[in-house]
Amino acid sequence: EVVLTQSPATLSLSPGERATLSCRASQSVSNYLAWYQQKPGQAPRLLIYDASNRATGIPGRFSGSGSGTDFTLTISSLEPEDFAVYYCQQRNINNWPLTFGGGTKVEMK
Amino acid sequence: EVQLLESGGGLVQPGGSLRLSCAASGFRFSSFAMSWVRQAPGKGLEWLSVISGSGDITDADSVKGRFTISRDNSKNTLYLQLNSLRAEDTALYYCAKALKTSRTDAFDIWGQGTMVTVSS
Repeated sequence: EVVLTQSPATLSLSPGERATLSCRASQSVSNYLAWYQQKPGQAPRLLIYDASNRATGIPGRFSGSGSGTDFTLTISSLEPEDFAVYYCQQRNINNWPLTFGGGTKVEMK
Repeated sequence: EVQLLESGGGLVQPGGSLRLSCAASGFRFSSFAMSWVRQAPGKGLEWLSVISGSGDITDADSVKGRFTISRDNSKNTLYLQLNSLRAEDTALYYCAKALKTSRTDAFDIWGQGTMVTVSS
């Protein structure tokens, strides 16, 4: 099983600041990594798939990068609605089960 | 509008069973793989099971032999049969649509979830 480790667990930032979230895989997942945003009481929302592709309707301030075992989600300038929990997920067909990271909470400073 | 609507959750005693449903609309249901993902209260996301449009299934080890995913493409509905339920199965259960046709694609559409509580 591929273990995804997200860091930091909590990120305290102010609106307008840049957020950098990390996801590290226990073995290579190629570029088969997705990022989701979840707000309280809501279902997760797909932000990024295959490491760097923005999903439909996702603002340009969200970007993803990385391959192999190290991945990054960057929010270039935080908007008030971006304060949420973010999860990474790997989908490498050679690495069942599909797994999620433990999440990073982006909170307002 | 693309939409998923789960139902069937509730309170069940340990050892009991439930059948969850997920009604899909707004897209060609039979063309896409569908998954079940759960989230225990205050915890992260856990993928459980996926079924392709043609019925190929892969399960997480944690639910093999207890949970069964299925689909009825004629009714645009996904199911999850939960048997031998344990307290640790208490969670919000989401159905999720694959972005493309592969069973391993990212999940682009999620339902609102249905709560399963296992308690005596």
